[in-house]
Amino acid sequence: DTEVTQTPKHLVMGMTNKKSLKCEQHMGHRAMYWYKQKAKKPPELMFVYSYEKLSINESVPSRFSPECPNSSLLNLHLHALQPEDSALYLCASSTDRDFGRTQYFGPGTRLLVL
Amino acid sequence: DAKTTQPTSMDCAEGRAANLPCNHSTISGNEYVYWYRQIHSQGPQYIIHGLKNNETNEMASLIITEDRKSSTLILPHATLRDTAVYYCIVRVANNAGNMLTFGGGTRLMVKP
Repeated sequence: DTEVTQTPKHLVMGMTNKKSLKCEQHMGHRAMYWYKQKAKKPPELMFVYSYEKLSINESVPSRFSPECPNSSLLNLHLHALQPEDSALYLCASSTDRDFGRTQYFGPGTRLLVL
Repeated sequence: DAKTTQPTSMDCAEGRAANLPCNHSTISGNEYVYWYRQIHSQGPQYIIHGLKNNETNEMASLIITEDRKSSTLILPHATLRDTAVYYCIVRVANNAGNMLTFGGGTRLMVKP
């Protein structure tokens, strides 16, 4: 199974809402990632988890809060977002600590903040 | 990581070979060349990577010049499903501090 799943596929939220994005993989990967992708732009790294610990935070605003409850799951908690946070949020995973090795991406959650 | 330069867009006829160039003139000796692609509304997909030698897998071939300053991704028989944005990324392998940094990519349009 080389699949990374993400839910929901689409999400619309107001600026005062709290919502969560979920990502799951069962490949035994110990590194998991969140990327943000604006329209017609390349993906930009947000967070990296390695062995369930936050390893890298690319200066992401605190209204985005990642969580890795176990080695298969990765969440992204959203609170008080701004319209400019509307984007495709991609989750990815890879083996161990070499974060540049082949990464497997999920299909993404398309988020619209009103 | 070395910076890469790719054409913004390319067209290819269905059934013909698609040759996607990438310049990475400042590449270091320990940096690999990776290729990913992103089909519309999907997550990026790994295609292939290499260091010095040419590489081939079931998806594509990667040709790296002898001086390693440029490379070409070859899709031997392009299909309509190969229409996507193709990203060339150069990075050091086996180094946890080196992320995948996506550049602008090449938007490949395969036409019937």
